[in-house]
Amino acid sequence: SAVISQKPSRDICQRGTSLTIQCQVDSQVTMMFWYRQQPGQSLTLIATANQGSEATYESGFVIDKFPISRPNLTFSTLTVSNMSPEDSSIYLCSVEVASQETQYFGPGTRLLVL
Amino acid sequence: AQSVTQPDIHITVSEGASLELRCNYSYGATPYLFWYVQSPGQGLQLLLKYFSGDTLVQGIKGFEAEFKRSQSSFNLRKPSVHWSDAAEYFCAVGAGSSYKLIFGSGTRLLVRP
Repeated sequence: SAVISQKPSRDICQRGTSLTIQCQVDSQVTMMFWYRQQPGQSLTLIATANQGSEATYESGFVIDKFPISRPNLTFSTLTVSNMSPEDSSIYLCSVEVASQETQYFGPGTRLLVL
Repeated sequence: AQSVTQPDIHITVSEGASLELRCNYSYGATPYLFWYVQSPGQGLQLLLKYFSGDTLVQGIKGFEAEFKRSQSSFNLRKPSVHWSDAAEYFCAVGAGSSYKLIFGSGTRLLVRP
């Protein structure tokens, strides 16, 4: 498996501001992903964070709203820009351990936008 | 298109009773199937997975799941539930690999003392 940490673990933000969430994994991985879990809902994939190239976004998610960086094989950031209360969610980072063809998840960042 | 259905939003069982959580998937080929558990305030923890081979797979914490191709199901079972099993359970399907997981809506398990 992989050990994944996220910062911050939770935050309360004002509308119109931006928050950057960090994801760190304890080993080099090719695939890193960002998911959103809205209150009481399941997980929805936001994007795949590609090392050395632009992230690949899923339908309904755009780079201007959710810019992603992936500077190396152990780290990624997701920024939630120009936040509104509808952005209040848990944001989860995951990594795929290629040898196991399995995704492992970080503890999540709980975001409340007022 | 791939999809995952977890028909039970909530399930309540008594501690020590058996448990079965249902999961049905839609996918043209043999899918990669996963069960994850999310305890309150926590991230997702992998319980077990199925890729191929033996259709009964064993996972952590005493859980098992059975892949039934004819029913497009991958139900999660546990013979005796513990109070610490109270959590949200998610079934997920991956297309050809675990990349791009599609999650079900989740089943919240409540355990009566």
